[in-house]
Amino acid sequence: DTGVSQDPRHKITKRGQNVTFRCDPISEHNRLYWYRQTLGQGPEFLTYFQNEAQLEKSRLLSDRFSAERPKGSFSTLEIQRTEQGDSAMYLCASSRGENSYEQYFGPGTRLTVT
Amino acid sequence: ILNVEQSPQSLHVQEGDSTNFTCSFPSSNFYALHWYRWETAKSPEALFVMTLNGDEKKKGRISATLNTKEGYSYLYIKGSQPEDSATYLCAFTTDSWGKFQFGAGTQVVVTP
Repeated sequence: DTGVSQDPRHKITKRGQNVTFRCDPISEHNRLYWYRQTLGQGPEFLTYFQNEAQLEKSRLLSDRFSAERPKGSFSTLEIQRTEQGDSAMYLCASSRGENSYEQYFGPGTRLTVT
Repeated sequence: ILNVEQSPQSLHVQEGDSTNFTCSFPSSNFYALHWYRWETAKSPEALFVMTLNGDEKKKGRISATLNTKEGYSYLYIKGSQPEDSATYLCAFTTDSWGKFQFGAGTQVVVTP
């Protein structure tokens, strides 16, 4: 399967702990996006990369959040000092780039902060 | 409309019946409107990308229409089957960079 993959699929952590999620995009897709979906809401944009460059960050992405895409391939999203409000589904998507409309999504990582 | 809104939030459909639901979006700065189907524990699956006013797209028993001037899109499911049970998301973009603004989704449950 050459789709977008995310790891882990589920993560339960205690408040105050740090967590890191990984996203592997479709090969040769140079754009990568992170979204977050909380209960009852649609996914909300967090940040995106063009190759290794992080081009935009949402105001939702507080100082406790950091995302990287070091070699323009996989990406990581780290949350430091997790809070209960961070509990959500974290989705990753990738696309080919300019003039490509479609984003291909991974299955998401569900985070539960206790 | 400032945000993307979907209605209804959920609906129950008898197998074999047809149904439709709505996505409303800002009518200014329109670039594209996307429909996704999201089944539990799976990745959201792209159904349609719509870019032109008056667009109509069809994929099997599912079709969609687009009105960019008034800011809405309809998704139709004809002859619903249990495998159509999913959450249907629409997403609006204002440029080619593709930062999506999603609606909250319409959850469809098809009962045999």
